[in-house]
Amino acid sequence: KAGVTQTPRYLIKTRGQQVTLSCSPISGHRSVSWYQQTPGQGLQFLFEYFSETQRNKGNFPGRFSGRQFSNSRSEMNVSTLELGDSALYLCASSPDKSTDTQYFGPGTRLTVL
Amino acid sequence: GESVGLHLPTLSVQEGDNSIINCAYSNSASDYFIWYKQESGKGPQFIIDIRSNMDKRQGQRVTVLLNKTVKHLSLQIAATQPGDSAVYFCAENSGGGADGLTFGKGTHLIIQP
Repeated sequence: KAGVTQTPRYLIKTRGQQVTLSCSPISGHRSVSWYQQTPGQGLQFLFEYFSETQRNKGNFPGRFSGRQFSNSRSEMNVSTLELGDSALYLCASSPDKSTDTQYFGPGTRLTVL
Repeated sequence: GESVGLHLPTLSVQEGDNSIINCAYSNSASDYFIWYKQESGKGPQFIIDIRSNMDKRQGQRVTVLLNKTVKHLSLQIAATQPGDSAVYFCAENSGGGADGLTFGKGTHLIIQP
């Protein structure tokens, strides 16, 4: 089985812009979770989607949003980018629940200038 | 929310020795624990997991020990190899999934030749 894929792998944006990141889960996995990884804060949970619905949400501002499509692929969007949004954004998929083992993609490295 | 912590940010071991990476967690409601390995430029890779009804689980060259009494988790790597060099994270799931996985800060395992 192919693993979790994320596109693009690298992005450079400027403050105030918005960005959309994409994630394709492992075939058959229905839960997709997103995490932000920074040197200072480590890995932090953003949100989880299941059956096209946001099921859980972490403690991030409303500028961070996401969605899931009927084929389980997911996108996350960050609007009005700030310098502090520079991070590695990781997507993880699991078969059913976010409490199942989660398998991570390679991440998208976002740099905000 | 409560967090998972690691005792040491860096651990240096000789090639061929056994490595022990420790993790303390504080959420007594956590019922599922995972160890991930993250190499530079890659997403976290699943190593081994353990549920709260077990106190030990073995994989290939790795063993996870869970001590619920003192809320302690450890990862033992036998006969450490250069390819084991990475940052290791423990993660917990409190069962409700509301906060996704909660990750520790990570331990950077350095292999000395």
